[in-house]
Amino acid sequence: AQSVAQPEDQVNVAEGNPLTVKCTYSVSGNPYLFWYVQYPNRGLQFLLKYITGDNLVKGSYGFEAEFNKSQTSFHLKKPSAIVSDSALYFCAVRDKRGATNKLIFGTGTLLAVQP
Amino acid sequence: DSGVTQTPKHLITATGQRVTLRCSPRSGDLSVYWYQQSLDQGLQFLIQYYNGEERAKGNILERFSAQQFPDLHSELNLSSLELGDSALYFCASSVAGGNNEQFFGPGTRLTVL
Repeated sequence: AQSVAQPEDQVNVAEGNPLTVKCTYSVSGNPYLFWYVQYPNRGLQFLLKYITGDNLVKGSYGFEAEFNKSQTSFHLKKPSAIVSDSALYFCAVRDKRGATNKLIFGTGTLLAVQP
Repeated sequence: DSGVTQTPKHLITATGQRVTLRCSPRSGDLSVYWYQQSLDQGLQFLIQYYNGEERAKGNILERFSAQQFPDLHSELNLSSLELGDSALYFCASSVAGGNNEQFFGPGTRLTVL
């Protein structure tokens, strides 16, 4: 079965420090991976995706993610956190079965950035 | 703003009732997806339409149905509502095919009393 796992329910980081939100995946074949962010009472916003190519993917708001095939991971990173990064972050993988492009989401990680 | 609109923003109704949630995709997007977000189930895919036709079904109950109209807007119909149907319902859209990202609407928060 295809799935993604986010092992941390919450990540706390001080403003100005680097942040990492972890994601591991389990898929057959090459994965198509995505990160989304959800602010309170808002929909999900697309941050970045990995389809193929360079293992380091740059996205919106200064975020980047590193695809690691040997560790089946796709961790989200930012060099310097800011308070407004505080939100719920979702990792997702595209379901490659059949003709659908549906996304399978992880359980989400709440990022709290302390001033 | 993702360009995906959903109405209504909030919906409060009673058990046994039927409601309709509406979604307008981004201009040019042919695919529409419906997801349910709840505390116990997380984000779950319900159903996908592509250019008016059903493309894929996920964990969608038989009491739920959806359709996509010729103008590409979509409606999700929820009937015989139960307390456990209370959730955030998101619509997303994407361009046709491939590995394009999905753009999500602001969601409809359904409360069943």
